[in-house]
Amino acid sequence: DVKVTQSSRYLVKRTGEKVFLECVQDMDHENMFWYRQDPGLGLRLIYFSYDVKMKEKGDIPEGYSVSREKKERFSLILESASTNQTSMYLCASTLTGDEQYFGPGTRLTVT
Amino acid sequence: AQKVTQAQTEISVVEKEDVTLDCVYETRDTTYYLFWYKQPPSGELVFLIRRNSFDEQNEISGRYSWNFQKSTSSFNFTITASQVVDSAVYFCALSEGENAGGTSYGKLTFGQGTILTVHP
Repeated sequence: DVKVTQSSRYLVKRTGEKVFLECVQDMDHENMFWYRQDPGLGLRLIYFSYDVKMKEKGDIPEGYSVSREKKERFSLILESASTNQTSMYLCASTLTGDEQYFGPGTRLTVT
Repeated sequence: AQKVTQAQTEISVVEKEDVTLDCVYETRDTTYYLFWYKQPPSGELVFLIRRNSFDEQNEISGRYSWNFQKSTSSFNFTITASQVVDSAVYFCALSEGENAGGTSYGKLTFGQGTILTVHP
């Protein structure tokens, strides 16, 4: 059974804190993605990675960075959390051209 | 640039009604994939269908059917005899075609989503 897991379902952080969101997949997929989901805006791509240590910016990378040291793990980092980063964060992985498999999401609140 | 538009923000129907969710896309790629995902209240996106750009055959899966028309750049989704369990947010998405190197990373561009509520 394919699986994408995310480290937390709910997270509350203070403005200015450094935040790590972790994503792990067990399907040996090359491609991994981080999206944020906001009402009325759908899912927007923050960053993606097509191989270990390789990353590319998505549509809204400002304020975020990523790390992929191992194939199965893709981390999203908020260097200094701000209230406008309060959102639902979704991780996904895929083989090229195949469907994307999504994790359960992390609902982050920055106060 | 790719774009997906789901013009219906919210739809409300009564159980057993048929409902169609619209999806219109824009792309310059000749090879691409179209997807529909369902997001129930639990939050996890569930894959429903993938259609490649060369296959315009309509597809039916139980109460679900999809109508892909390249001439109008549309990929609409119909639920027949809707049920309360169909209540969810539905997303249409478009994946990029192959780049100049002949590969694709599978990046998706999502529509804004349609909130479907089915009342008993």
